[in-house]
Amino acid sequence: GQQLNQSPQSMFIQEGEDVSMNCTSSSIFNTWLWYKQDPGEGPVLLIALYKAGELTSNGRLTAQFGITRKDSFLNISASIPSDVGIYFCAGQLSGGFKAGGADGLTFGKGTHLIIQP
Amino acid sequence: KAGVTQTPRYLIKTRGQQVTLSCSPISGHRSVSWYQQTPGQGLQFLFEYFSETQRNKGNFPGRFSGRQFSNSRSEMNVSTLELGDSALYLCASSFKGQGYYNEQFFGPGTRLTVL
Repeated sequence: GQQLNQSPQSMFIQEGEDVSMNCTSSSIFNTWLWYKQDPGEGPVLLIALYKAGELTSNGRLTAQFGITRKDSFLNISASIPSDVGIYFCAGQLSGGFKAGGADGLTFGKGTHLIIQP
Repeated sequence: KAGVTQTPRYLIKTRGQQVTLSCSPISGHRSVSWYQQTPGQGLQFLFEYFSETQRNKGNFPGRFSGRQFSNSRSEMNVSTLELGDSALYLCASSFKGQGYYNEQFFGPGTRLTVL
């Protein structure tokens, strides 16, 4: 089946540093999503991308949908302690504006973000 | 607006038993998807229900099943539990309407431990 390669697996950074993580796929997705998961909680949607080449920001977060439809990256600027957690990329076959289609998400293995004091 | 709710939050069962988990989607959302999260395999898609019908299915054995009710609430069932079924089971809901993005919003999960 489809697999997403997410890197890095973990990051140890200082507060205030910028963070970059990415996902690549062996096949095309029509939607890329980035989630953050805190311990004991479900994933929370951070950014959704629906068009190849699309660059979207949400506060200090910026994500891009790769032109080839096989990759995406997430950047976090000026990290703060509450950014600690696990970040997941997810690909979805269906695009927006469709009531049908295959909506099961394929997830990367996650990037553990640890911020050192 | 209330988020996705899942019950129970924690569950302990023994091998061979069966279990039923429940999910209430965000009000107005019509699609419910289920995922299994384990340290080894990560997050894996189980199945999706829309309008009381299973629309998509992941690569899991037939011991895993589900259903959706007319109010969009969903249940998943695992029969003949195995040790490897120990996991966090997550439910996600989306609006899934023409002209709307089908972003999925997750509940807090049910932590199942099989002894």
